[in-house]
Amino acid sequence: KQEVTQIPAALSVPEGENLVLNCSFTDSAIYNLQWFRQDPGKGLTSLLLIQSSQREQTSGRLNASLDKSSGRSTLYIAASQPGDSATYLCAVPYNTDKLIFGTGTRLQVFP
Amino acid sequence: GAGVSQTPSNKVTEKGKYVELRCDPISGHTALYWYRQSLGQGPEFLIYFQGTGAADDSGLPNDRFFAVRPEGSVSTLKIQRTERGDSAVYLCASSLGGGTTDTQYFGPGTRLTVL
Repeated sequence: KQEVTQIPAALSVPEGENLVLNCSFTDSAIYNLQWFRQDPGKGLTSLLLIQSSQREQTSGRLNASLDKSSGRSTLYIAASQPGDSATYLCAVPYNTDKLIFGTGTRLQVFP
Repeated sequence: GAGVSQTPSNKVTEKGKYVELRCDPISGHTALYWYRQSLGQGPEFLIYFQGTGAADDSGLPNDRFFAVRPEGSVSTLKIQRTERGDSAVYLCASSLGGGTTDTQYFGPGTRLTVL
């Protein structure tokens, strides 16, 4: 059974810092891994999707890496801004359809 | 175009009542998913539709939960005899064709509170 965990559970940093959020999964036979952002009271917004054949994906200030063999992914946020404050979730597909989510990292960036 | 929409945004009901939650997927998306998110947790899978049929309903917690998608577009999640433990945010997502390579696009969710 696939299990996904994220650390830290919460993070509070001053504006401008570079951040690393961690995601680990128990079954390395994944097709891809996806990072989402969730704002309070809102749905999920897809940030990055890394295919199993890829090592990393970049979008603006975000960079996600994937190491299947060790069951880990990291989301790197450069030069954090208060607008980055949200909960960040990672997820992997299981049995080809459903996504298995981690419990998320709640990020607060203060001015 | 429009994203995934869900109605109502909030639903408060009493224990034992019946509720229906609606999801309008992105036009043309054949795959539709329902998830449930409890406070402080990640979303948990409930059911997956491919077209009109439920391809995987293994996440439905018990027989009080049922979902339909009669025309392959809009879906309704139905909960009978609601219990306080059903309180959560119910999220709907759709993707173009389903499977592992398609991105799932999520709606804003319906917050269900059972008193």
